Amino acid sequence: KNEVEQSPQNLTAQEGEFITINCSYSVGISALHWLQQHPGGGIVSLFMLSSGKKKHGRLIATINIQEKHSSLHITASHPRDSAVYICAVRSEGGGADGLTFGKGTHLIIQP
Amino acid sequence: SAVISQKPSRDICQRGTSLTIQCQVDSQVTMMFWYRQQPGQSLTLIATANQGSEATYESGFVIDKFPISRPNLTFSTLTVSNMSPEDSSIYLCSVVPKASGGAVYNEQFFGPGTRLTVL
Repeated sequence: KNEVEQSPQNLTAQEGEFITINCSYSVGISALHWLQQHPGGGIVSLFMLSSGKKKHGRLIATINIQEKHSSLHITASHPRDSAVYICAVRSEGGGADGLTFGKGTHLIIQP
Repeated sequence: SAVISQKPSRDICQRGTSLTIQCQVDSQVTMMFWYRQQPGQSLTLIATANQGSEATYESGFVIDKFPISRPNLTFSTLTVSNMSPEDSSIYLCSVVPKASGGAVYNEQFFGPGTRLTVL
């Protein structure tokens, strides 16, 4: 079973700062998801990637398969980016859905 | 992509009662899942909702406590039965849309969640 570790667990930053959230996993994967959970509980899928790098607006996700590591970056952070960011990996042994979830990084962006 | 709606969005219930949560998707999907997220914890898969047949439950979850229905490819319900305060959680429906373009692993989409508080 894959072990997914996220860091940091909590992060408070000032508006405009460059944010990095890290995710590492223990076993080879077929894909990695970055999810955003708003205070109400709903989850939005930000990225699904299996190699390289993806960019969407101010969000950038990278993955290094050899090092079993992924990062989520937020440029020019804004208070509306405040949320819990969850890393989930798809691999064998992750349950019927194939996913193993990290515990999330709670991000607060202060104006 | 898939747009998922859940009802209710939140509820406060008394111990011993049951609550049924509905999940509606705007397109046909191959897989539908139900998750639970207890306070401060990561998501835990409860079961896979199978169309027209009994759901497949993960270890630690049973049909008597969490009966699930999936009558068609766009709708499912999860019932939390005989509730106790330990059932206070966010319950999320999640789907994998039908494969297109030869993709092997399709992106998984999550619903807005139902925040349940049991007193």
